Amino acid sequence: QMQLRESGPGLVKPSETLSLTCSVSGGSVTYNTYYWGWIRQAPGKGLEWIASIYYSGTTYYNPSLKSRVTMSVDTSQNQFSLFLTSATAADTAVYFCAAINPILAVDYWGQGALVTVSS
Amino acid sequence: QSMLTQPPSASGTPGQRVTISCSGSSSNIGSNPVNWYQQLPGTAPRVLIYSNNQRPSGVPDRFSGSKSGTSASLAITGLQSEDEADYYCAAWHDSLNGVVFGGGTKLTVL
Repeated sequence: QMQLRESGPGLVKPSETLSLTCSVSGGSVTYNTYYWGWIRQAPGKGLEWIASIYYSGTTYYNPSLKSRVTMSVDTSQNQFSLFLTSATAADTAVYFCAAINPILAVDYWGQGALVTVSS
Repeated sequence: QSMLTQPPSASGTPGQRVTISCSGSSSNIGSNPVNWYQQLPGTAPRVLIYSNNQRPSGVPDRFSGSKSGTSASLAITGLQSEDEADYYCAAWHDSLNGVVFGGGTKLTVL
């Protein structure tokens, strides 16, 4: 059973870069059956897909966030990361890392990490 | 605004049957399987239905899913108090190469 776990600062100042890392266990980020992605949920709101990365390094971004988002994958550490620049209060949310594919949508979820953007 | 459309709320009394609808487009539901997630407060969503109508082990058969064209629905029979939660539909979106979600439906057991 694969497990994903998010890590990173829980508090980010406005205009700074929000950075999160997802560690994968019980599986490998080199699996070609999954895209590795990030999904967020603002307080009291629904789920929003942010971005995905394939094991080859190809990235896909939500058009609404594309100008501020970058993802990377580190196969040696079995991790992948999210970088969201110019953070604002609107980026305050629980961020989930996930294993995604076209058939199952989100197959595995991390437990979620609350990131608050505030000075 | 979510790319998949769900009713914001649904309700029923214990033992009743409720359905939650999910509407999309030819780029998501119309060409890819639909999946349903249940989310309890403070927890990550869990898979309830995958590939339109398949239940993971551990999910009661009171939960069922169906899909037709660009729409899907989740049915819950024999409603129980522990079913009170938020429910989300999701599907792969071809041109985005990502997942799109419904806005979520808050189910209340009266």
